[in-house]
Amino acid sequence: DAGVIQSPRHEVTEMGQEVTLRCKPISGHNSLFWYRQTMMRGLELLIYFNNNVPIDDSGMPEDRFSAKMPNASFSTLKIQPSEPRDSAVYFCASSLEVTEAFFGQGTRLTVV
Amino acid sequence: AQSVTQLGSHVSVSEGALVLLRCNYSSSVPPYLFWYVQYPNQGLQLLLKYTTGATLVKGINGFEAEFKKSETSFHLTKPSAHMSDAAEYFCAVSPASGNTPLVFGKGTRLSVIA
Repeated sequence: DAGVIQSPRHEVTEMGQEVTLRCKPISGHNSLFWYRQTMMRGLELLIYFNNNVPIDDSGMPEDRFSAKMPNASFSTLKIQPSEPRDSAVYFCASSLEVTEAFFGQGTRLTVV
Repeated sequence: AQSVTQLGSHVSVSEGALVLLRCNYSSSVPPYLFWYVQYPNQGLQLLLKYTTGATLVKGINGFEAEFKKSETSFHLTKPSAHMSDAAEYFCAVSPASGNTPLVFGKGTRLSVIA
């Protein structure tokens, strides 16, 4: 398996623009997680899905953030409108029954 | 609820010296415990995990960790540091029952000096 695949690896956008991050989990995994990593706050869980259903989105910072998982092989994290403080590395991870999480390479987002 | 405290945001060791990265956890239920490593511009990679059974767990790259319930600790060690061990290390906890995500510590950056 190719592991968790995230795209794009890098994204630079202007403040106010919509940003969409994409994730393909490992085939057969039933849980998917979106994390955000910053120097100040470390690794924060934004939202997680189990069997394509959002279970806990309490980590989503604001209504500007939304996430979807239309099927078992694809998820998106959208920020609209984006702000400079959203600049971070965003990780997607997947797991089977949450015994451990497998991480993608991350998307480095820069909002200018 | 679970939480993780990693003592020391930055640890520096000489090549060949012992590596000790500290992790203490808080959990109201029996925990699963994990150590991940992150190299620059990479995602997190699992080093080792404790679920049940033997409390001394061996992982990749010569690392090991011991689960000590009485001390609520899961410290990571390696007898002899190598330059390639320089990275960020994260300790994480999840409850042994249920389907809830890992809670991560803030990480410890390991530097290895030649």
